[in-house]
Amino acid sequence: KAGVTQTPRYLIKTRGQQVTLSCSPISGHRSVSWYQQTPGQGLQFLFEYFSETQRNKGNFPGRFSGRQFSNSRSEMNVSTLELGDSALYLCASSPGASGLPNEQFFGPGTRLTVL
Amino acid sequence: GQQLNQSPQSMFIQEGEDVSMNCTSSSIFNTWLWYKQDPGEGPVLLIALYKAGELTSNGRLTAQFGTTRKDSFLNISASIPSDVGIYFCAGQRNSGGYQKVTFGTGTKLQVIP
Repeated sequence: KAGVTQTPRYLIKTRGQQVTLSCSPISGHRSVSWYQQTPGQGLQFLFEYFSETQRNKGNFPGRFSGRQFSNSRSEMNVSTLELGDSALYLCASSPGASGLPNEQFFGPGTRLTVL
Repeated sequence: GQQLNQSPQSMFIQEGEDVSMNCTSSSIFNTWLWYKQDPGEGPVLLIALYKAGELTSNGRLTAQFGTTRKDSFLNISASIPSDVGIYFCAGQRNSGGYQKVTFGTGTKLQVIP
């Protein structure tokens, strides 16, 4: 099985712009979670999507949004970029269905730099 | 959001030494997971634990599911330079019919050759 893929791997933007990141989960996985990781920091949970619905949300401002498509692929959007948004954005996929173990498998991440 | 407490936060050890780290919570979890993250990459799942008291090994790594279900431990024996990275624990518990995941704060491991 192919792993989780994220595109692009690297991105440079300027303040005020917006950005869209993409994540393709492992085949058969229906849950996609997004995390932000700044240097030396842990994994800050952004949101989780399951079957095209947002199931969980972290404590991030409304500039951060996401969506999931019927094929389980997910996109994350950040509008009006700020310098502090520079980070590694990680996507994780898991089976997600009720009653099943829900181990998350991570993609390689998208390194976003805001200038 | 909530994060699990991991300790130590960081550690420097000599190559060949054994390493221990742990993860604690005030909540009960029914699954514990351990991940390793290499610099600039996504975390990789190392070990999954499903039962209180369970002890599972993966090569030089051994992890245990605490009997209280509120903690977990990871040991690395005879460390080597490629063990360098950040180790994250994660706990899962039932929330609204599915397994919700919470990650630990991470332990950064440096190995001195």
